Amino acid sequence: DPKIIQKPKYLVAVTGSEKILICEQYLGHNAMYWYRQSAKKPLEFMFSYSYQKLMDNQTASSRFQPQSSKKNHLDLQITALKPDDSATYFCASSQDGQPNTEVFFGKGTRLTVV
Amino acid sequence: GDSVTQTEGPVTVSESESLIINCTYSATSIAYPNLFWYVRYPGEGLQLLLKVITAGQKGSSRGFEATYNKETTSFHLQKASVQESDSAVYYCALGGSAGNKLTFGIGTRVLVRP
Repeated sequence: DPKIIQKPKYLVAVTGSEKILICEQYLGHNAMYWYRQSAKKPLEFMFSYSYQKLMDNQTASSRFQPQSSKKNHLDLQITALKPDDSATYFCASSQDGQPNTEVFFGKGTRLTVV
Repeated sequence: GDSVTQTEGPVTVSESESLIINCTYSATSIAYPNLFWYVRYPGEGLQLLLKVITAGQKGSSRGFEATYNKETTSFHLQKASVQESDSAVYYCALGGSAGNKLTFGIGTRVLVRP
């Protein structure tokens, strides 16, 4: 059974629209993350949260807003979508935010902006 | 900033042949980086394959090995005899910073022919 659930699996959006990527983890972890992989680029760290508080934000654009309504949820709201936002977005979690703590990943949401 | 460079894929090998995926890193923000190999099997999320947190040490898992070489800043992944089930995308990553952020390489797709 998948322990990190991302919804939807695939998403097509129109330029300028807004979408929310859903992530729930059932591992009892206290830290959650978002990563993104665009075509022909490395997986790129976006955000980290620990106990529902933002720890690190490496995303320059304010169009990307994480939302943590519960400890095991970290959704990602993306506004004013652009074609360059097309990527696979991975949610991840770890027991805590300490270095060396194993990070577990979801299967990803593939977003295409047309 | 920190960066990871790894073999560009796809890499195609025949079953029972050996495999090596090169990985080199540059860690400018982390004094003692930790090094990881993650694997993504078709239809799955990334999962940790092996990690090494001490320079000079070797990690191994599922027949794969990687040695943390601080002198050459490398962490190459090797397997002596691959199986078809090893077909996947392999990601080299470095971590060890506060917030448990991981810096990934681009990923290497490996196809094992029966």
